[in-house]
Amino acid sequence: KAGVTQTPRYLIKTRGQQVTLSCSPISGHRSVSWYQQTPGQGLQFLFEYFSETQRNKGNFPGRFSGRQFSNSRSEMNVSTLELGDSALYLCASSFWSGGPDTQYFGPGTRLTVL
Amino acid sequence: AQSVTQPDIHITVSEGASLELRCNYSYGATPYLFWYVQSPGQGLQLLLKYFSGDTLVQGIKGFEAEFKRSQSSFNLRKPSVHWSDAAEYFCAVGQGNQFYFGTGTSLTVIP
Repeated sequence: KAGVTQTPRYLIKTRGQQVTLSCSPISGHRSVSWYQQTPGQGLQFLFEYFSETQRNKGNFPGRFSGRQFSNSRSEMNVSTLELGDSALYLCASSFWSGGPDTQYFGPGTRLTVL
Repeated sequence: AQSVTQPDIHITVSEGASLELRCNYSYGATPYLFWYVQSPGQGLQLLLKYFSGDTLVQGIKGFEAEFKRSQSSFNLRKPSVHWSDAAEYFCAVGQGNQFYFGTGTSLTVIP
């Protein structure tokens, strides 16, 4: 099976712009989670989607949003970019059978805000 | 609230030496435990996981981890480290569809 894919891999934006990142989960996986990774804060949970519904949300401002499509692909959007949004954004997918679950990660999108 | 602690921010070992990375968790029920590895600029790769059963778990790349309920620990070990093991290692606790990650341990391997 193909792994989790994320596009684009690298992105450079300026302050005030908005950005959309895309994630395609492993085939058959219906749960998609997003994380922000920075050197100072480590991995921080953004949100998780399952069957097109947001089930969990981390402690991020409303500028961060996401959605999931019927094919389980997911996008996250960051509006009004700030310098502090520069980070590696990781997407992870899982099957979610209701029991123990394992998350599989994509390679990430490196966002640089200038 | 669930939490994961990796006490060692950075560890340096010589190639061929043994390795142990520590992980402690705080969780009320039986946890689902994971170790991931991240190479620079890459995503996280699953090394091993523990759901139940044998408390000594074998993973990829020669890694193993032992779940000790009495110590709330899930330490990662490798008998002989290779230069290619240099990376960032993350311990995680899973609760249903939510995961909690430690802050990571950076491993440097000296030739």
